Amino acid sequence: EPEVTQTPSHQVTQMGQEVILRCVPISNHLYFYWYRQILGQKVEFLVSFYNNEISEKSEIFDDQFSVERPDGSNFTLKIRSTKLEDSAMYFCASSLVATDTQYFGPGTRLTVL
Amino acid sequence: AQSVTQPDIHITVSEGASLELRCNYSYGATPYLFWYVQSPGQGLQLLLKYFSGDTLVQGIKGFEAEFKRSQSSFNLRKPSVHWSDAAEYFCAVVGNSGNTPLVFGKGTRLSVIA
Repeated sequence: EPEVTQTPSHQVTQMGQEVILRCVPISNHLYFYWYRQILGQKVEFLVSFYNNEISEKSEIFDDQFSVERPDGSNFTLKIRSTKLEDSAMYFCASSLVATDTQYFGPGTRLTVL
Repeated sequence: AQSVTQPDIHITVSEGASLELRCNYSYGATPYLFWYVQSPGQGLQLLLKYFSGDTLVQGIKGFEAEFKRSQSSFNLRKPSVHWSDAAEYFCAVVGNSGNTPLVFGKGTRLSVIA
């Protein structure tokens, strides 16, 4: 069964450093998402992406964040200058169409020291 | 704005007992509704979803959920809980038009005792 994959599973970085989180969505899906979950809190939407552009973003997704689909398979989330409060589990998801089920990857745990 | 309320933060049930996890949503029209499960250190796995039609939906692992429009609820049930069901359960809602993101509840942690 096709699945969303994410790398790395765990990333540790120093405050102020740039990180890139990688995702490979399900191959025929057209809509891509990033969510995050701070420890002990609920899952929060960051950004959605369709047709090579951002279609919606939350207030969390400020200028420090960016997304890219550099090729036909990868979907990345970049944090330019990490802050302590960026420590969280980051989930990538994809769906075939906008209102269809979103399938989630296993997540990348980001720890900012 | 859409919102999801899961009133129970933590529930403990005995193995073999029945389970009901509550979920209430706020949305102007009929949304699409989901239940996801997250085992410790794992990602989010879809248990079941409701888009339209029969208001009682069946999912994986023996779970079911019932959509009640009059109560704005989408409660998750299982007749007999197994120890492997211990996990965090999230109810989520998405609008039925346009590219809108999932809105999650805060989750309910299920513990299963012998």
